[in-house]
Amino acid sequence: DAGVIQSPRHEVTEMGQEVTLRCKPISGHNSLFWYRQTMMRGLELLIYFNNNVPIDDSGMPEDRFSAKMPNASFSTLKIQPSEPRDSAVYFCASGPQGIMNTEAFFGQGTRLTVV
Amino acid sequence: GESVGLHLPTLSVQEGDNSIINCAYSNSASDYFIWYKQESGKGPQFIIDIRSNMDKRQGQRVTVLLNKTVKHLSLQIAATQPGDSAVYFCAENGNAGNMLTFGGGTRLMVKP
Repeated sequence: DAGVIQSPRHEVTEMGQEVTLRCKPISGHNSLFWYRQTMMRGLELLIYFNNNVPIDDSGMPEDRFSAKMPNASFSTLKIQPSEPRDSAVYFCASGPQGIMNTEAFFGQGTRLTVV
Repeated sequence: GESVGLHLPTLSVQEGDNSIINCAYSNSASDYFIWYKQESGKGPQFIIDIRSNMDKRQGQRVTVLLNKTVKHLSLQIAATQPGDSAVYFCAENGNAGNMLTFGGGTRLMVKP
């Protein structure tokens, strides 16, 4: 099992540009999470999907952020337009069950730098 | 590293000693807790979990203790090794299933 796969690993973009982060969850997992990690705020949950449906997006900072999960094996997090304060490491995680308690398995993260 | 240089509490221990990392969780409704380890350049990795109907759970060299009365969680690492150096996070599920909320993290440094 390759684990959760995120791409790209590093992204540097100019302010105002659109950024798309990608995630392939572990096969068979039906929960998917996007987290953001920053110096100031630590690890924050942005959005949670279950069976490809967004369940809770209350952590999404503002309308510039959007996430999709078109099928069980792919999700994207898009920032448009990007701002320097969006610079962070973005993690995708997946879990093997729906709303039952279980650990989330994390990808390696995408380090985003907006200049 | 990918802990993005957080100004974290740091625990420094000698190799071979036992380590205890503490966490105060916030939501009394949480009934599931996890400890994660994050090494430089990597995402958080599961170490051990515990459900609220237990107060202690042991794994290989690790023990998690849960005190629901004071909302406190601890991770004990026996015979700490250099490979244990990392940032450790506790996570709780809050009010809703497996939507995990993470604590601020503690950096463990192991001196040879």
